[in-house]
Amino acid sequence: SYELTQPPSVSVSPGQTAKITCSGDALPKRYAYWYQQKSGQVPVLVIYEDNKRPSEIPERFSGSGSGTMATLTISGALVEDEADYYCFSTDTVSRGVFGGGTKLTVL
Amino acid sequence: EVHLVASGGDLVQPGRSLRLSCITSGFTFGDYAMSWVRQAPGKGLHWVGFIRVKAYGGTTEYAASVNGRFTISRDDSKNIAYLQMNSLKTDDTAIYYCTRKMAPDAWGQGTLVTVSS
Repeated sequence: SYELTQPPSVSVSPGQTAKITCSGDALPKRYAYWYQQKSGQVPVLVIYEDNKRPSEIPERFSGSGSGTMATLTISGALVEDEADYYCFSTDTVSRGVFGGGTKLTVL
Repeated sequence: EVHLVASGGDLVQPGRSLRLSCITSGFTFGDYAMSWVRQAPGKGLHWVGFIRVKAYGGTTEYAASVNGRFTISRDDSKNIAYLQMNSLKTDDTAIYYCTRKMAPDAWGQGTLVTVSS
Protein backbone atom coordinates (compact mmCIF):
# COMPACT_ATOMS: atom_id res chain seq x y z
CA SER A 1 0.00 0.00 0.00
CA TYR A 2 1.01 3.58 -0.61
CA GLU A 3 3.01 5.29 2.14
CA LEU A 4 4.10 8.80 3.00
CA THR A 5 7.29 9.05 5.04
CA GLN A 6 7.99 11.80 7.58
CA PRO A 7 10.79 12.21 10.12
CA PRO A 8 9.53 11.30 13.62
CA SER A 9 10.80 14.52 15.15
CA VAL A 10 12.21 17.94 14.38
CA SER A 11 13.57 20.35 16.94
CA VAL A 12 14.33 24.08 16.57
CA SER A 13 14.90 27.07 18.80
CA PRO A 14 12.31 29.88 18.86
CA GLY A 15 12.78 32.16 15.86
CA GLN A 16 14.53 29.54 13.76
CA THR A 17 13.13 28.00 10.60
CA ALA A 18 11.63 24.54 10.91
CA LYS A 19 11.38 22.28 7.88
CA ILE A 20 9.32 19.09 7.92
CA THR A 21 9.56 16.76 4.96
CA CYS A 22 7.16 14.21 3.49
CA SER A 23 8.22 11.76 0.81
CA GLY A 24 6.00 9.64 -1.41
CA ASP A 25 6.28 8.16 -4.88
CA ALA A 26 3.01 9.70 -6.10
CA LEU A 27 3.71 13.23 -4.87
CA PRO A 28 4.88 14.47 -8.30
CA LYS A 29 1.30 13.82 -9.50
CA ARG A 30 -0.75 14.38 -6.34
CA TYR A 31 -1.26 17.36 -4.07
CA ALA A 32 0.16 17.40 -0.55
CA TYR A 33 -1.73 18.75 2.44
CA TRP A 34 -0.41 19.53 5.92
CA TYR A 35 -2.18 19.35 9.26
CA GLN A 36 -1.20 20.62 12.70
CA GLN A 37 -2.41 18.78 15.77
CA LYS A 38 -1.66 20.25 19.17
CA SER A 39 -1.87 18.03 22.21
CA GLY A 40 -5.45 17.00 22.95
CA GLN A 41 -6.87 18.99 20.06
CA VAL A 42 -8.46 18.33 16.69
CA PRO A 43 -6.18 18.57 13.64
CA VAL A 44 -6.13 21.84 11.72
CA LEU A 45 -5.35 22.28 8.02
CA VAL A 46 -2.36 24.58 7.60
CA ILE A 47 -1.41 24.01 3.94
CA TYR A 48 -3.49 22.66 1.06
CA GLU A 49 -2.70 21.81 -2.58
CA ASP A 50 1.06 21.84 -1.94
CA ASN A 51 1.50 25.53 -1.16
CA LYS A 52 -1.79 27.29 -0.44
CA ARG A 53 -2.48 28.63 3.03
CA PRO A 54 -5.95 29.00 4.54
CA SER A 55 -6.70 32.62 5.39
CA GLU A 56 -6.63 32.02 9.13
CA ILE A 57 -3.17 30.41 9.13
CA PRO A 58 -0.19 32.72 9.87
CA GLU A 59 2.10 33.65 6.98
CA ARG A 60 5.07 31.95 8.65
CA PHE A 61 3.62 28.63 7.45
CA SER A 62 4.44 27.71 3.84
CA GLY A 63 4.52 24.62 1.70
CA SER A 64 6.58 23.51 -1.26
CA GLY A 65 7.26 20.44 -3.32
CA SER A 66 9.99 18.98 -5.47
CA GLY A 67 9.72 15.60 -7.09
CA THR A 68 8.76 12.97 -4.57
CA MET A 69 9.11 15.28 -1.58
CA ALA A 70 6.82 17.88 -0.05
CA THR A 71 8.07 20.28 2.62
CA LEU A 72 6.32 22.28 5.30
CA THR A 73 8.34 25.31 6.37
CA ILE A 74 7.68 27.36 9.49
CA SER A 75 9.71 30.56 9.25
CA GLY A 76 10.50 32.00 12.65
CA ALA A 77 8.90 29.20 14.65
CA LEU A 78 7.13 30.15 17.86
CA VAL A 79 6.71 28.08 21.02
CA GLU A 80 3.00 27.94 20.18
CA ASP A 81 3.85 26.06 16.95
CA GLU A 82 4.93 23.04 18.96
CA ALA A 83 2.67 20.23 17.74
CA ASP A 84 2.45 17.07 15.68
CA TYR A 85 2.38 17.72 11.94
CA TYR A 86 0.97 15.30 9.40
CA CYS A 87 1.19 15.32 5.64
CA PHE A 88 -1.67 13.88 3.56
CA SER A 89 -2.02 12.90 -0.05
CA THR A 90 -3.78 10.38 -2.26
CA ASP A 91 -2.73 7.27 -4.14
CA THR A 92 -3.47 6.56 -7.78
CA VAL A 93 -6.94 5.16 -7.03
CA SER A 94 -8.14 8.08 -4.90
CA ARG A 95 -7.46 6.58 -1.49
CA GLY A 96 -6.15 8.97 1.09
CA VAL A 97 -3.06 8.42 3.18
CA PHE A 98 -1.44 10.28 6.06
CA GLY A 99 2.22 10.34 6.85
CA GLY A 100 3.30 8.96 10.20
CA GLY A 101 3.53 12.42 11.73
CA THR A 102 6.38 14.63 12.90
CA LYS A 103 6.64 15.97 16.42
CA LEU A 104 7.91 19.54 16.28
CA THR A 105 9.65 20.78 19.41
CA VAL A 106 10.34 24.51 19.76
CA LEU A 107 12.60 25.30 22.71
CA GLU B 1 -19.55 28.61 10.68
CA VAL B 2 -18.88 25.01 9.70
CA HIS B 3 -19.85 22.45 12.33
CA LEU B 4 -19.32 18.69 12.26
CA VAL B 5 -20.54 16.65 15.21
CA ALA B 6 -19.73 12.95 15.30
CA SER B 7 -21.63 10.65 17.62
CA GLY B 8 -22.33 6.99 18.23
CA GLY B 9 -19.01 5.91 19.69
CA ASP B 10 -19.23 3.19 22.31
CA LEU B 11 -17.56 0.20 23.92
CA VAL B 12 -18.29 -2.89 21.82
CA GLN B 13 -17.08 -6.46 21.71
CA PRO B 14 -14.94 -7.79 18.85
CA GLY B 15 -17.04 -9.00 15.95
CA ARG B 16 -19.93 -6.65 16.69
CA SER B 17 -21.19 -3.69 14.66
CA LEU B 18 -21.56 0.02 15.32
CA ARG B 19 -22.85 2.98 13.33
CA LEU B 20 -21.42 6.46 13.70
CA SER B 21 -23.25 9.59 12.61
CA CYS B 22 -21.93 12.99 11.61
CA ILE B 23 -24.41 15.84 11.85
CA THR B 24 -23.29 18.89 9.90
CA SER B 25 -24.27 22.54 9.59
CA GLY B 26 -22.93 25.81 8.24
CA PHE B 27 -22.34 24.69 4.65
CA THR B 28 -24.17 23.13 1.72
CA PHE B 29 -23.70 19.48 2.64
CA GLY B 30 -24.63 18.08 -0.76
CA ASP B 31 -21.81 20.02 -2.44
CA TYR B 32 -19.05 18.32 -0.47
CA ALA B 33 -17.44 14.91 -0.24
CA MET B 34 -17.25 13.64 3.34
CA SER B 35 -14.52 11.56 4.94
CA TRP B 36 -13.79 9.67 8.12
CA VAL B 37 -10.37 9.68 9.78
CA ARG B 38 -9.40 7.76 12.90
CA GLN B 39 -6.68 8.05 15.50
CA ALA B 40 -5.80 5.19 17.81
CA PRO B 41 -4.75 6.21 21.35
CA GLY B 42 -1.31 7.81 21.22
CA LYS B 43 -0.94 7.13 17.50
CA GLY B 44 -1.09 9.07 14.27
CA LEU B 45 -3.93 9.90 11.89
CA HIS B 46 -5.32 7.15 9.68
CA TRP B 47 -7.61 7.85 6.73
CA VAL B 48 -10.62 5.51 6.79
CA GLY B 49 -12.58 6.41 3.67
CA PHE B 50 -14.74 8.94 1.90
CA ILE B 51 -17.96 9.36 -0.05
CA ARG B 52 -18.24 11.51 -3.15
CA VAL B 53 -21.07 13.92 -3.82
CA LYS B 54 -24.17 12.69 -5.64
CA ALA B 55 -23.05 14.49 -8.80
CA TYR B 56 -20.11 12.08 -8.90
CA GLY B 57 -22.27 9.08 -8.13
CA GLY B 58 -21.98 9.19 -4.36
CA THR B 59 -19.39 6.45 -4.66
CA THR B 60 -16.98 5.50 -1.91
CA GLU B 61 -13.33 4.60 -1.38
CA TYR B 62 -11.85 2.91 1.67
CA ALA B 63 -8.52 2.18 3.25
CA ALA B 64 -7.41 -1.41 2.80
CA SER B 65 -7.63 -1.98 6.56
CA VAL B 66 -11.40 -1.44 6.61
CA ASN B 67 -12.45 -2.31 3.06
CA GLY B 68 -15.29 -4.83 3.11
CA ARG B 69 -16.10 -4.18 6.78
CA PHE B 70 -16.90 -0.44 6.87
CA THR B 71 -19.45 1.43 4.77
CA ILE B 72 -19.84 5.19 4.43
CA SER B 73 -23.18 6.65 3.40
CA ARG B 74 -24.83 10.03 3.30
CA ASP B 75 -28.28 11.57 3.63
CA ASP B 76 -28.22 14.91 1.84
CA SER B 77 -31.77 15.72 3.00
CA LYS B 78 -30.63 15.60 6.63
CA ASN B 79 -27.02 16.84 6.18
CA ILE B 80 -25.71 13.69 7.85
CA ALA B 81 -22.91 11.30 7.00
CA TYR B 82 -22.66 7.80 8.43
CA LEU B 83 -19.97 5.23 9.07
CA GLN B 84 -21.28 1.68 9.44
CA MET B 85 -18.64 -0.52 11.04
CA ASN B 86 -19.06 -4.29 10.96
CA SER B 87 -16.88 -7.16 12.18
CA LEU B 88 -15.06 -4.81 14.52
CA LYS B 89 -11.57 -5.71 15.68
CA THR B 90 -9.56 -4.53 18.68
CA ASP B 91 -7.32 -2.66 16.21
CA ASP B 92 -10.32 -0.50 15.28
CA THR B 93 -10.19 1.16 18.71
CA ALA B 94 -9.74 4.88 18.03
CA ILE B 95 -11.23 8.33 18.02
CA TYR B 96 -13.21 8.62 14.79
CA TYR B 97 -13.31 12.05 13.19
CA CYS B 98 -15.87 13.15 10.67
CA THR B 99 -14.29 15.53 8.15
CA ARG B 100 -15.33 17.59 5.18
CA LYS B 101 -13.82 16.83 1.75
CA MET B 102 -11.58 13.97 0.73
CA ALA B 103 -8.53 15.95 1.84
CA PRO B 104 -10.10 17.29 5.03
CA ASP B 105 -10.55 21.03 5.42
CA ALA B 106 -12.80 20.89 8.48
CA TRP B 107 -12.92 18.42 11.36
CA GLY B 108 -15.43 17.52 14.02
CA GLN B 109 -14.49 16.76 17.61
CA GLY B 110 -14.49 13.00 17.14
CA THR B 111 -16.19 10.11 18.89
CA LEU B 112 -14.42 7.31 20.73
CA VAL B 113 -14.88 3.71 19.66
CA THR B 114 -13.45 1.06 21.95
CA VAL B 115 -13.41 -2.53 20.78
CA SER B 116 -12.72 -4.88 23.66
CA SER B 117 -14.04 -8.05 25.20
